[in-house]
Amino acid sequence: EIVLTQSPGTLSLSPGERATLSCRASETVSHRYLAWYQQKPGQAPRLLISGASGRVIGIPDRFTGSGSGTDFSLTISRLEPEDSAVYYCQQYGTLPLTFGGGTKVEIK
Amino acid sequence: QVQLQESGPGLLKPSETLSLTCVVSGYSISSGYYWGWIRQPPGKGLEWIGSIYHTGSTSYSPSLKSRVTVSMETSKNQFSLKLSSVSVADTAMFYCARGSSGYVENHFDYWGQGILVTVSS
Repeated sequence: EIVLTQSPGTLSLSPGERATLSCRASETVSHRYLAWYQQKPGQAPRLLISGASGRVIGIPDRFTGSGSGTDFSLTISRLEPEDSAVYYCQQYGTLPLTFGGGTKVEIK
Repeated sequence: QVQLQESGPGLLKPSETLSLTCVVSGYSISSGYYWGWIRQPPGKGLEWIGSIYHTGSTSYSPSLKSRVTVSMETSKNQFSLKLSSVSVADTAMFYCARGSSGYVENHFDYWGQGILVTVSS
């Protein structure tokens, strides 16, 4: 199965700063089938990005996904307090579907 | 607006069978898409368990395949999860979700709120 490794484990930044989250796959993710989710405490994951860079309708444009092959990233260009959450990547190019371990974004 | 709601017992003993149901509203599950189950142990990450298509076709995580059955009841617009021989390691929040396409290889665009299942003797 494709193992997704997310880094860093925790990111602590101030409002207005840029956050860059990494998701590295153990093998090529076919068709760039990589999604990003945001999960706040006590809530279900929320889909942000699909197809590596396709922002879901209603997601603010400060969230940008990029990458291909084995290296993907999620950038939050101007952090806001409500962006405090854990972010997960998921690959859906190959079964079994797998998720990364998550990156926690803390807002100072 | 597609909505999903999980239900089932929140406490099980080791060796019992976990049975959960996900009722879908706002969309007819017989119209298409894959419908899946994902779990999340307390404080940990997400794990895909399995998915089912409206035709009844299923796909399971290899690590759980021997213990998992996902089924659907289109007349009630719901699908279900059974996980046999549970242990303490199966304690988790269980989510049902809609796959984003008619392919099993998909991401999940709508999620239920989740149900916490605890396995304890």
